[in-house]
Amino acid sequence: DAGVIQSPRHEVTEMGQEVTLRCKPISGHNSLFWYRQTMMRGLELLIYFNNNVPIDDSGMPEDRFSAKMPNASFSTLKIQPSEPRDSAVYFCASSRSSYNSPLHFGNGTRLTVT
Amino acid sequence: GDSVTQMEGPVTLSEEAFLTINCTYTATGYPSLFWYVQYPGEGLQLLLKATKADDKGSNKGFEATYRKETTSFHLEKGSVQVSDSAVYFCALSLSFSGGYNKLIFGAGTRLAVHP
Repeated sequence: DAGVIQSPRHEVTEMGQEVTLRCKPISGHNSLFWYRQTMMRGLELLIYFNNNVPIDDSGMPEDRFSAKMPNASFSTLKIQPSEPRDSAVYFCASSRSSYNSPLHFGNGTRLTVT
Repeated sequence: GDSVTQMEGPVTLSEEAFLTINCTYTATGYPSLFWYVQYPGEGLQLLLKATKADDKGSNKGFEATYRKETTSFHLEKGSVQVSDSAVYFCALSLSFSGGYNKLIFGAGTRLAVHP
């Protein structure tokens, strides 16, 4: 089992540029989560998909953020345009659709917007 | 609303000391409870879980008991090692109609163990 795979591991970009983060969940998992982690705000849930359908996107900060899950094995989180305050570590996690199934996290993408 | 409260860190201990990290929760239903650990530069990993009252989760010498009467899930280890230095997150999971679940994390507690 390869685990949840995220790319890139690090991204440095200038303010105003578009950023796309990618995630491949564990095969057989039908729930996918995007989290953002910062020192100030801790771990924040951005959006949650179940069977490729967005269920809860109330954590998406603003319209500059968008997420898609075109199929069961791939998801993207896009920021356009990016701003310095978007600098954070972004994690993708997947699980089976059961409330006692644990989340499996990727190693994250560290985003720096200058 | 549903929430998880953890003791603030950092917690600094000497090797072989006893560890307790407190966690309490508020939930409208009957949650499952989890402890996750995050090592530097990595994502969160499941450490242990308990799915109903009085269950005890255990792994790698860590344990936690689901206490419904005190709405608590405190993490304990009898003898910590330097390699246990990490950030520990308590979390609860609730299920909702429609077949989906919601996971709520505490703020995390940083543990530093010195030789």
